Amino acid sequence: DTAVSQTPKYLVTQMGNDKSIKCEQNLGHDTMYWYKQDSKKFLKIMFSYNNKELIINETVPNRFSPKSPDKAHLNLHINSLELGDSAVYFCASSQNLGFQETQYFGPGTRLLVL
Amino acid sequence: DAKTTQPNSMESNEEEPVHLPCNHSTISGTDYIHWYRQLPSQGPEYVIHGLTSNVNNRMASLAIAEDRKSSTLILHRATLRDAAVYYCILRDGGAQKLVFGQGTRLTINP
Repeated sequence: DTAVSQTPKYLVTQMGNDKSIKCEQNLGHDTMYWYKQDSKKFLKIMFSYNNKELIINETVPNRFSPKSPDKAHLNLHINSLELGDSAVYFCASSQNLGFQETQYFGPGTRLLVL
Repeated sequence: DAKTTQPNSMESNEEEPVHLPCNHSTISGTDYIHWYRQLPSQGPEYVIHGLTSNVNNRMASLAIAEDRKSSTLILHRATLRDAAVYYCILRDGGAQKLVFGQGTRLTINP
């Protein structure tokens, strides 16, 4: 069973559209994250949630709205997609917010905005 | 977040040991040293972490300098599957996130 899964794996869409990426973890973890990896391969955190509560919002445009319906899911909705949003988006989870906790990453969603 | 410095790339041969260095001269007393790696077209995966003492697990060993200003990730017998980008990350008690640098791209030759 996949520990952290994301759907879709690939997403190709037009500028201006709205799209969502879903993430689910079956590890029983309390904390979930969204990271963005751009074309230069830099990985940067976007959001983290702990027990469905927003903990980190790293100055991400408000076109990006995370939603956590329960502890096992953290979805990412993106409005009015722009060319610069093209990237690979990774979801991750950890047992809790502890700084020694291992983060487990999903396989990524490759978003291409045309 | 304290900064780490790693070589951009390294190359090694299959079945040989690999030593991946990381400098972190501004490390504070409460910073843990974490290593993650990212295999091609996959998400990052945890490798190992430590504070002061050397650490071993089934994947690798972590050697931490006595002054903690540098550390080395050791892969004892590299395989082709170990080809990846390796990230050295410092985390302290307030760090609720991983801050990734550019990492070291490790190439393994058959």
